[in-house]
This record gives sequence, structure tokens and C-alpha cells, in this order.
Amino acid sequence: AQSVSQHNHHVILSEAASLELGCNYSYGGTVNLFWYVQYPGQHLQLLLKYFSGDPLVKGIKGFEAEFIKSKFSFNLRKPSVQWSDTAEYFCAAVRSGTYKYIFGTGTRLKVLA
Amino acid sequence: ETGVTQTPRHLVMGMTNKKSLKCEQHLGHNAMYWYKQSAKKPLELMFVYNFKEQTENNSVPSRFSPECPNSSHLFLHLHTLQPEDSALYLCASSHSIGQDGNTIYFGEGSWLTVV
Repeated sequence: AQSVSQHNHHVILSEAASLELGCNYSYGGTVNLFWYVQYPGQHLQLLLKYFSGDPLVKGIKGFEAEFIKSKFSFNLRKPSVQWSDTAEYFCAAVRSGTYKYIFGTGTRLKVLA
Repeated sequence: ETGVTQTPRHLVMGMTNKKSLKCEQHLGHNAMYWYKQSAKKPLELMFVYNFKEQTENNSVPSRFSPECPNSSHLFLHLHTLQPEDSALYLCASSHSIGQDGNTIYFGEGSWLTVV
């Protein structure tokens, strides 16, 4: 079955630390990949997405993600986190040409000021 | 402002009640979705509508009944729910379905508690 795995469920970092959140998907074929963020009390917002081209994707607020096809991975990175990055982060995948977006279980990030 | 508005934001209902969740999108999209978000579980796709036609029913129990009168509105009618149905119900929309690069946009969700 198609699935998306996020291995880190809770991450706690100090401000200015570097962040990497793991995401792996189990699809074969061409996939579109997404990272969404949910700030406390707010809706899910798109951080970045990949569907073709440069596998290193830059998103909003200094986030980036790298698609590594051979590893079925799409890890999210940020060189220096801020307190305002405290949120829950969701990785999602959808097979190209379809509409079944599959989400991971999410990673709760807490950044200590 | 997300462009996808859900009402009510919070709903408490008894197991014998009938209630409805409403979603409206102001983005000019053609596809709308219902997702269920439970603690410690991935978002679960429930229903998908494309140009008002249902294209997906992800084995959802019949006590959940969707309705899509037009591309801008989506309802989820609730009847004889169980306590395990308590969750955050998210509505989302996108330009269309099946297109590469298609992004789905979410509403803020409706928190449902079944007592």
C-alpha cells in the first residue's frame, strides 16, 4: 500500500540550530511531494512542493527540501530555526496524475527561545 | 484567511443527532476534499469531488454523507456517529484533480466531539 513515513514524531531544538525532518514514501513511479506546516491554532499551509525539475526545492520562510529518488526520500531542512517555527510539519505524496494525497503522521517541532 | 472556510469550527453532538459540516472555497477551484485528522494518525482522505461529481469514497461508513451542490460548496452530513468519530475534519480544495503540481489548500477544520 502507498504510504508516507515521518520518522521523527517530536523534535525539540534551540533557536539557531539546524533542522532536518525525514520523510520517506513508498510509491513507485512518478510522484509529487509536499511539505505542509500547521502552526498552533492555524490551518495547514503549504511550505514547498516538488513535482519536476531541480530536486532541491526552496520554500517559504527559509525552508528547503531535497528529493532523492533512489532513497524515496524528501527531507525538509532549515539551516537555522527560529522560535516561530514551532509547529507541526506534514509530508505528503501523490502519484502523478492521481488525486489521492497521502500524508505522514506529522512531526511536532518545538523551538526553545 | 485560507480561502477555504469551514463552519462550525467546533461541534459537540450526541450519537443520535444529525448535524452537518459546511465548507466553502473562494479560490475558484474545481475539486474539493474531506479529510479526517485524528491524534497520532495520518490525515485520512474521506471523499473527493471534482466538478461536483464524487470521484472517491475511501470506504467511509455511511453515517458520513457528503454533498457537493456546486464547485464552491461541500457538506458533510453526520448521522448516528460513534465516539471514535471524534476528530478534526478538514476540507480542502484544488484547481483540479490529477494534475502535476496541483496543490491542495486546507480550511481551518471543524472539531467534532461525539458524546
